[in-house]
Amino acid sequence: DIQMTQSPSTLSASVGDRLTITCRASQNISSRLAWYQQKPGKAPKLLIYKASSLESGVPIRFSGSGSGTEFTLTISSLQPDDFATYYCQQYNSHTFGQGTKLEIK
Amino acid sequence: QVQLVQSGAEVKKPGASVKVSCKASGYTFISYYMHWVRQAPGQGLEWMGIINPSGGSTSYAQKLQGRVTMTRDRSTSTVYMELSSLRSEDTAVYYCARGTEYSSSPFQYWGQGTLVTVSS
Repeated sequence: DIQMTQSPSTLSASVGDRLTITCRASQNISSRLAWYQQKPGKAPKLLIYKASSLESGVPIRFSGSGSGTEFTLTISSLQPDDFATYYCQQYNSHTFGQGTKLEIK
Repeated sequence: QVQLVQSGAEVKKPGASVKVSCKASGYTFISYYMHWVRQAPGQGLEWMGIINPSGGSTSYAQKLQGRVTMTRDRSTSTVYMELSSLRSEDTAVYYCARGTEYSSSPFQYWGQGTLVTVSS
């Protein structure tokens, strides 16, 4: 099984900050990586697919990069609506990272 | 517009089975793979398996092999997930999520989730 490791597990930040979340795969997954945002009590929402492609309707402050085993999600200028939990997912065999909870500092 | 509407919350005793439904609308049902994902309280997302609504073929997470069964009804555009021999660790919100026409794809659409509580 392909293991996905996200870091950090928790991140405290302020509105306007630029931040990066990292996701590492235990083996090469090419660009088969997605990022999701989840708010409490809601289903996850797809933000990024194919490592760097922005899902329709997602604000351009979200961006993704990487290939192979190392990937990042960057939010260029945090907005109040962005405080949530973020998950990466490899979709060769569909496993998720453990999540990164983004909190208000 | 694409919609995935799941059945309501369930409370089950340990050892019982539960069957959750996911009714799809707004697209050609047989053209897109469907996945099931669960999330235990306060925990992360766990992929459970995939079904091809066209032919009915399935693939399950190794951890759940032997306990999970995914089926579909093409006449009602509904997929089902049945989990047997329930234990307390199966308490979770269960989601259906639609992929693309390829089995390896991200999940663009999600159901609203179904809470399954396993308690004696």
